[in-house]
Amino acid sequence: RKEVEQDPGPFNVPEGATVAFNCTYSNSASQSFFWYRQDCRKEPKLLMSVYSSGNEDGRFTAQLNRASQYISLLIRDSKLSDSATYLCVVTWVGMRFGAGTRLTVKP
Amino acid sequence: DTGVSQDPRHKITKRGQNVTFRCDPISEHNRLYWYRQTLGQGPEFLTYFQNEAQLEKSRLLSDRFSAERPKGSFSTLEIQRTEQGDSAMYLCASSSHPLTGRDTEAFFGQGTRLTVV
Repeated sequence: RKEVEQDPGPFNVPEGATVAFNCTYSNSASQSFFWYRQDCRKEPKLLMSVYSSGNEDGRFTAQLNRASQYISLLIRDSKLSDSATYLCVVTWVGMRFGAGTRLTVKP
Repeated sequence: DTGVSQDPRHKITKRGQNVTFRCDPISEHNRLYWYRQTLGQGPEFLTYFQNEAQLEKSRLLSDRFSAERPKGSFSTLEIQRTEQGDSAMYLCASSSHPLTGRDTEAFFGQGTRLTVV
């Protein structure tokens, strides 16, 4: 089993759509959780941290379920500029990345 | 520029040659990570350092790969006897890891793209 698994995608959605990404992790001792965004041929950059209580940043909402070892990212009112690969990141000893889910938002 | 810097940005080498990459992290960051990324995949963990100590090395990493961070500042990643399968983007990241509490955001360099011919 992979340490961090994500929906493979790709997700192709129209502008204004709501899209959700899922991620599961294998190590129950994981301590910190993040979503990163990576644009084509660029380095990954932090989108948001994920807290047990759930957290929201504008159109983005992240949820964590420790019992199920599951993380989610919800994007509302998708914009063209949201097109990117979204990486789930989990840390226990070092940071582990999922394979990423590619999102394309179309006009 | 106070971000993470990597050198070189691109490297083309012949199979069997050795290559070395350098990473300069953000100066106050105590953690430094190396990752490898191929097209369509997420960053694959290679190794990481807390200050000068190498805390973990991926089991997927062969003995041809070695990394150092001698003074707890910059780091080097060496690949010996390169193979075509080593062709990838090699990413370095750094973060500030507190003694207690959550990991903080990791900042990435722009990577070194290695092509083995």
